[in-house]
Amino acid sequence: DQQVKQNSPSLSVQEGRISILNCDYTNSMFDYFLWYKKYPAEGPTFLISISSIKDKNEDGRFTVFLNKSAKHLSLHIVPSQPGDSAVYFCAASPNTGNQFYFGTGTSLTVIP
Amino acid sequence: NAGVMQNPRHLVRRRGQEARLRCSPMKGHSHVYWYRQLPEEGLKFMVYLQKENIIDESGMPKERFSAEFPKEGPSILRIQQVVRGDSAAYFCASSPSQIRGTGELFFGEGSRLTVL
Repeated sequence: DQQVKQNSPSLSVQEGRISILNCDYTNSMFDYFLWYKKYPAEGPTFLISISSIKDKNEDGRFTVFLNKSAKHLSLHIVPSQPGDSAVYFCAASPNTGNQFYFGTGTSLTVIP
Repeated sequence: NAGVMQNPRHLVRRRGQEARLRCSPMKGHSHVYWYRQLPEEGLKFMVYLQKENIIDESGMPKERFSAEFPKEGPSILRIQQVVRGDSAAYFCASSPSQIRGTGELFFGEGSRLTVL
């Protein structure tokens, strides 16, 4: 039962353009969301998070948008850089538990 | 300040053998999480432990899998009588406190188990 879904397994973007990675969730109890970035043969590293009391959180080139009514969040990277090429995981946590539910990841390739 | 350390990075076992994966959390972190990533899948929660206590093992298979986080030493994920379907990357993560809205998980580089 995949409660967090990333329907695009891969995305290619030209350097300098915007990358938009999408994530959908099904559990209305989720109230805290994160994005992680993963390079091959490495563990995921935290990128940015957002609480359900907000609809936007920005950190440099990275912005996460949350649409609670649609149970949808997205990560915007602008401008995209070749070093951003990685797999991006969306994760969500319910207000009743300690675990994070992860999506299947989107592999981003930024073309120089 | 060392990050989350996992070993071994790669482990090969034959069917029926035991696999032991170790995780040393970041200094000062008392909460440990284990996740499994099967090929072409996302990260699946397995178990959440604090020192000497299993807090949430709802993601652990009921048989053959166990985890511990003793007072001294690393957390250990143990898989008995491994089968080919256990082949995966196992990631450990740690946090300084309960992560509800206060922070994030810090991941190790993973242990890749291959069952022949």
